[in-house]
Amino acid sequence: NAGVMQNPRHLVRRRGQEARLRCSPMKGHSHVYWYRQLPEEGLKFMVYLQKENIIDESGMPKERFSAEFPKEGPSILRIQQVVRGDSAAYFCASSLGGVTHNEQFFGPGTRLTVL
Amino acid sequence: AQKITQTQPGMFVQEKEAVTLDCTYDTSDPSYGLFWYKQPSSGEMIFLIYQGSYDQQNATEGRYSLNFQKARKSANLVISASQLGDSAMYFCAMRSNFGNEKLTFGTGTRLTIIP
Repeated sequence: NAGVMQNPRHLVRRRGQEARLRCSPMKGHSHVYWYRQLPEEGLKFMVYLQKENIIDESGMPKERFSAEFPKEGPSILRIQQVVRGDSAAYFCASSLGGVTHNEQFFGPGTRLTVL
Repeated sequence: AQKITQTQPGMFVQEKEAVTLDCTYDTSDPSYGLFWYKQPSSGEMIFLIYQGSYDQQNATEGRYSLNFQKARKSANLVISASQLGDSAMYFCAMRSNFGNEKLTFGTGTRLTIIP
């Protein structure tokens, strides 16, 4: 069974460009979470999605960031007009959902570097 | 709001010794889950152990055990017989069992095992 897949693993962008990060959840998982890890810090929640729905985006910056999880295909985290402060590791996690012992399985992360 | 505190930024431990990584939490939710993740230098997030707030016994997984003291709001990770491969960042996290399923992470502890 394949785990959570993220691509690309490394992404370099110049200031002002767009970054698209992809996440394919584990087979059978319909809940996806995006987290951001700045250098030398813990992970910070960004957004929680189910198929075609954004459940909680309280951790997303109000501008330039958006996320989707379409009916078909991977979840996409999109960052428009990137700035140097967006340089970070972006992790996607997936789960079956539910409230008890609901383990989130993490992908390997995408390391975004903004030049 | 939930908060995780890890007060040990770094620890050095002799190989084969046991090590305790501290984690305290704060939440007003009556039901929640506590998690520990390992992040080696390669960057991926590896799930280690889970403790539910209503679990009567402390969780154990191989060499990992969780010393859960609910009244003190602490969930320390104990690694027995440490190995060189245990050198990594360790993150404590929690999740409310009500509503949103997002994980709140601490800032982590960098563990270095000395041969």
